[in-house]
Amino acid sequence: ETGVTQTPRHLVMGMTNKKSLKCEQHLGHNAMYWYKQSAKKPLELMFVYSLEERVENNSVPSRFSPECPNSSHLFLHLHTLQPEDSALYLCASSQESGAVYEQYFGPGTRLTVT
Amino acid sequence: DAKTTQPPSMDCAEGRAANLPCNHSTISGNEYVYWYRQIHSQGPQYIIHGLKNNETNEMASLIITEDRKSSTLILPHATLRDTAVYYCIVRPYNNNDMRFGAGTRLTVKP
Repeated sequence: ETGVTQTPRHLVMGMTNKKSLKCEQHLGHNAMYWYKQSAKKPLELMFVYSLEERVENNSVPSRFSPECPNSSHLFLHLHTLQPEDSALYLCASSQESGAVYEQYFGPGTRLTVT
Repeated sequence: DAKTTQPPSMDCAEGRAANLPCNHSTISGNEYVYWYRQIHSQGPQYIIHGLKNNETNEMASLIITEDRKSSTLILPHATLRDTAVYYCIVRPYNNNDMRFGAGTRLTVKP
């Protein structure tokens, strides 16, 4: 257990569906992240929230919409996805203070778009 | 960010030390070296980090060369549960942008 939980762990959705991924951290951290890991590709950073404000958006399509209502919760809202969006979606958190802050990852949500 | 180069795969016998190399020849003075690992279908797990001195914790040791252009992660007594993909990442001071590469797939064999 890393202190970062993600739900659901597995999700199958059609291209016209709307769904949301949820992440919760129990570590008292002040930064949260969404990553995407496609098959045989490195992890890709999607979004960064620091102190509940989005500080990075790495050219992610608008069909992915993040939400960070407070420092403990992070959502990724999904709509009209494509089959190539099938991947493992990972949430992470860190405490931004000083120079070094390691990230703690959740177990991920395995998403399949049909 | 500095780019890192790691061998795509390595094998290690159970109980022996696993030495995983990483080349980061373009590292800047304010960049730290981080190591993470990812066991199959799980989220990455932080292992250790360093700036210029060697570091050791309960999981591993990190040896950074004097010129900081390369480093080695050492798992002193590898177990089957250490089979994973190991990522070496170089990241600037006070920057939360973590760039993962392909990593090294370590297989610990009985």
